[in-house]
Amino acid sequence: KQEVTQIPAALSVPEGENLVLNCSFTDSAIYNLQWFRQDPGKGLTSLLLIQSSQREQTSGRLNASLDKSSGRSTLYIAASQPGDSATYLCAVLGSGGSNYKLTFGKGTLLTVNP
Amino acid sequence: DVKVTQSSRYLVKRTGEKVFLECVQDMDHENMFWYRQDPGLGLRLIYFSYDVKMKEKGDIPEGYSVSREKKERFSLILESASTNQTSMYLCASRGGLNQPQHFGDGTRLSIL
Repeated sequence: KQEVTQIPAALSVPEGENLVLNCSFTDSAIYNLQWFRQDPGKGLTSLLLIQSSQREQTSGRLNASLDKSSGRSTLYIAASQPGDSATYLCAVLGSGGSNYKLTFGKGTLLTVNP
Repeated sequence: DVKVTQSSRYLVKRTGEKVFLECVQDMDHENMFWYRQDPGLGLRLIYFSYDVKMKEKGDIPEGYSVSREKKERFSLILESASTNQTSMYLCASRGGLNQPQHFGDGTRLSIL
């Protein structure tokens, strides 16, 4: 059974700092990995999708990498801003029998202090 | 732009009531999902549907049912609401396997 772990559970940084959020998964047989952002009391917003054949994806100040063989992904946020404060979740789509559904980590709560 | 719309942001119901949560997507996606999200437990899949009138149980289907009569609409039904179904409910949709999954804004449901 696929398990997704995100470390740390919470992170607090000063504005302007570059930071890295980590995601690990136990089964490397995946179609893709997706990073989401969730603001308090809201739904999830898709940030980046990395296919299993890709190594990284970039969108603005965000860069996500994928090392499928080691079961790891990182989300790099450059020049963090207070508006980046949110919970960040990663999720993997398995390529086995359960390939219809994402398996989610429990998220990293990011606070960027002005 | 991608849009998944959930009919209510907040809902308060009584124990024993039949509750309907509605979700509509405008992207012609085949796949639709219902999750609940609880502190410390993360996101848990209740049911999903990969086509009209098709449904599959997720990880926690007990006490719930779903309906998908049209491609764009996926309904979650609490047959007889109980207090342990108080939660945040999230609907999502996705096209093909290589496409991102998109979520609605969620419905905060309280069962009294």
